[in-house]
Amino acid sequence: GAVVSQHPSRVICKSGTSVKIECRSLDFQATTMFWYRQFPKQSLMLMATSNEGSKATYEQGVEKDKFLINHASLTLSTLTVTSAHPEDSSFYICSAPGLAGGLDTQYFGPGTRLTVL
Amino acid sequence: EDQVTQSPEALRLQEGESSSLNCSYTVSGLRGLFWYRQDPGKGPEFLFTLYSAGEEKEKERLKATLTKKESFLHITAPKPEDSATYLCAVRPTGSSASKIIFGSGTRLSIRP
Repeated sequence: GAVVSQHPSRVICKSGTSVKIECRSLDFQATTMFWYRQFPKQSLMLMATSNEGSKATYEQGVEKDKFLINHASLTLSTLTVTSAHPEDSSFYICSAPGLAGGLDTQYFGPGTRLTVL
Repeated sequence: EDQVTQSPEALRLQEGESSSLNCSYTVSGLRGLFWYRQDPGKGPEFLFTLYSAGEEKEKERLKATLTKKESFLHITAPKPEDSATYLCAVRPTGSSASKIIFGSGTRLSIRP
């Protein structure tokens, strides 16, 4: 299957600072990537769809100015959490589409644990 | 509204005790149903794709089946290393760019 990496795997920051998370497709090109957020013992919540060369599409209730997404190349999408606050602490996971059994599914990165103090 | 519901929320089994996880879905049309495994602190790992009612897929101790309303993930003689959260997701017809809808998952714990 396709390989997706994320960096950093874990980050701790002070309230009010901005944090950038990178998502890379290692062995394939991805014109689309997805960003999810996951709280403890809960499922994945889709935040936005990242589109190479154009604006991201955000899900209802997700603040565009708070979560900045840039998909500048076919292998890299970044999520910047701006002016982070403790309530932004969560597990952030990206994914990229790939074929599995002839149908598009999503391959996930290992996730980034964000803790805002 | 497209929806995916998984049950039970959590399941504790003894090693070797077989069981099944359920995924019920409501979609206007189904392009595919996926099963993923997620270990704590990691991203989901793809397991299976199912397309149509009656289809089955197997991998080691896991077997996934699909009907028109639900999917089951059967686990036979599980081992402690099978402990994880199992996520079900569907891709409705007409969904854009590989967008899929996840269920809330079943946390499976296998005691030695």
